[in-house]
Amino acid sequence: RKEVEQDPGPFNVPEGATVAFNCTYSNSASQSFFWYRQDCRKEPKLLMSVYSSGNEDGRFTAQLNRASQYISLLIRDSKLSDSATYLCVVNGDDYKLSFGAGTTVTVRA
Amino acid sequence: GAVVSQHPSRVICKSGTSVKIECRSLDFQATTMFWYRQFPKKSLMLMATSNEGSKATYEQGVEKDKFLINHASLTLSTLTVTSAHPEDSSFYICSARGLVYEQYFGPGTRLTVT
Repeated sequence: RKEVEQDPGPFNVPEGATVAFNCTYSNSASQSFFWYRQDCRKEPKLLMSVYSSGNEDGRFTAQLNRASQYISLLIRDSKLSDSATYLCVVNGDDYKLSFGAGTTVTVRA
Repeated sequence: GAVVSQHPSRVICKSGTSVKIECRSLDFQATTMFWYRQFPKKSLMLMATSNEGSKATYEQGVEKDKFLINHASLTLSTLTVTSAHPEDSSFYICSARGLVYEQYFGPGTRLTVT
């Protein structure tokens, strides 16, 4: 079983729509959770950390469900510039991070 | 977030040669850096953890004699791919650890071995 699993998508949505997707993680001892964004042929960039109580950053909302070991990301009012691959990232041992393979989102005009 | 640079961004080399990739943290001192490789449409695969002043810790299956890592200062880690072969062609990305668990990535190096 992979440490972090994500629906690869793609999620194709029109501008202005809301899109949401989840990821699941296997290590119940994980304490830190992140969403990264990766554009084609570029490095991952930290989008936001995910806190236990859930958190928002502008149009992005992240939720954590420890009991079911999943994390979600919701994007409201999608922009064309939101088109990217979103990586679910979870800490493991010794400050290492485990990465999901990514969920591809394409926002169309 | 922190700024991490990586050089070169792209390199093409012949089979059998060695390639050195540099990773620098530009605005903070990074005691721990990481080296990853990524194949198309796949997740990042951790190769090794680079600790300033000590030997790197390699992940299972990664040959330490082939992928030489040096972290001589708090702002610089290098990865040398020795005797490169076409199967070493990949996207290599370094990162520096932030205050807790978050990592900040360099822009990556695309290596093509012919």
